[in-house]
Amino acid sequence: DAKTTQPPSMDCAEGRAANLPCNHSTISGNEYVYWYRQIHSQGPQYIIHGLKNNETNEMASLIITEDRKSSTLILPHATLRDTAVYYCIVRAPGDGGYNKLIFGAGTRLAVHP
Amino acid sequence: DAGVTQSPTHLIKTRGQQVTLRCSPKSGHDTVSWYQQALGQGPQFIFQYYEEEERQRGNFPDRFSGHQFPNYSSELNVNALLLGDSALYLCASSLTGHTNTEAFFGQGTRLTVV
Repeated sequence: DAKTTQPPSMDCAEGRAANLPCNHSTISGNEYVYWYRQIHSQGPQYIIHGLKNNETNEMASLIITEDRKSSTLILPHATLRDTAVYYCIVRAPGDGGYNKLIFGAGTRLAVHP
Repeated sequence: DAGVTQSPTHLIKTRGQQVTLRCSPKSGHDTVSWYQQALGQGPQFIFQYYEEEERQRGNFPDRFSGHQFPNYSSELNVNALLLGDSALYLCASSLTGHTNTEAFFGQGTRLTVV
């Protein structure tokens, strides 16, 4: 079973920041938080991951609370192309080849004009 | 640099038949994982192949089998198809031996069993 809880759906206006929450209250001390998204009829796409510090890349920012029990994915200026299902996944560290991804139902983000 | 490629993109089969799906990993990747995604749900892990052997397996029956070739490409075989096997089948590639590398997914094969 997935170790994360996400709202089933969210809306966001184009050009505004989209803040997607994720609860992972049972996360272990060495587990990372990963975010993927899946645009309709395509394969999931990696977005970002982090352990305890906030992370930023060209796609998004990841804010992890100090107790690591929850996190927020931030898309700073959402566009229509960001409409997708967003998955928050916790994963043990180590060899990237071994760890399978356990997906939950994700959050369906709808960006509207 | 070619990403993960899967074939075919769509497939229609009859209940009871057998199907083979194919995956070529991203260049430089040596590990292939397969996922099944039913409509409206998140992907579910089927199994993973490395060095031509099944290394991990999810909760799927033996009707689901696979193979990995020396060039790291992989096949997913499903025997005795059931209507419930209708789904999007996703292949993901990654690199064993590297810490915290992300998996790259293909576009998937949409299998419809009638």
